[in-house]
Amino acid sequence: HVQLQESGPGLVRPAETLSLTCTVSSDSITDYFWTWIRQSPGKGLEWIAYFYDGWSSKYSPSLKNRATISFDTSTNQFSLTLTSVTAADAAVYYCARGTLTSYGYPFLDSWGQGTLVTVSS
Amino acid sequence: NFVLTQPHSVSESPGKTVILSCTRSSGSIASNSVHWYLQRPGSSPTVVIYEDNRRPSGVPDRFSGSIDSSSNSASLTISGLQTEDEADYYCQSHDSSNHAVFGGGTQLTVL
Repeated sequence: HVQLQESGPGLVRPAETLSLTCTVSSDSITDYFWTWIRQSPGKGLEWIAYFYDGWSSKYSPSLKNRATISFDTSTNQFSLTLTSVTAADAAVYYCARGTLTSYGYPFLDSWGQGTLVTVSS
Repeated sequence: NFVLTQPHSVSESPGKTVILSCTRSSGSIASNSVHWYLQRPGSSPTVVIYEDNRRPSGVPDRFSGSIDSSSNSASLTISGLQTEDEADYYCQSHDSSNHAVFGGGTQLTVL
């Protein structure tokens, strides 16, 4: 059973860059969709990005210009960077593993516990 | 792009059956699979239905999913409601560009 654990700074200043890391306990990188999702306080889930096929990525259109997802196979970690953060980026950020369905799109079968990010000066 | 609309909140009594809906605003609900996640307060989401109607191992058979092309919606049915079912439920699908889309979530109260 795979385990995912997010880590990050907790507090980021406005206009700075947020960097988060997700450590994956095991798994073949190419078999899954490595995913970032966030949830603003009291709000619903928002998909941010996928990393898949060992080199491909997909981004939410609303965050595409500011988000970058990557995977480091040497450490079995994948990361999210989000530039030029504002108060609207304050949220719990989750990493998750996506498993492909017969439709050709993934569902998220394993989630990390989430990490809270506050944006404040 | 499309929106998945879920009722904000639903209440039902223990032992009863509840149906949570998820309506797609444009394009066919059947064009991409729908998944359902449960999130209890303070916890991470967990999948209860994937690929419209498939149940992961460990999820009770009280949970079932379906899609209805006539209403362009997906449904999550929970029978024999238990207090532990009280949670937020999110539906999720994809657009044609493989961007994930979440519904706004339904808060289920069991009382």
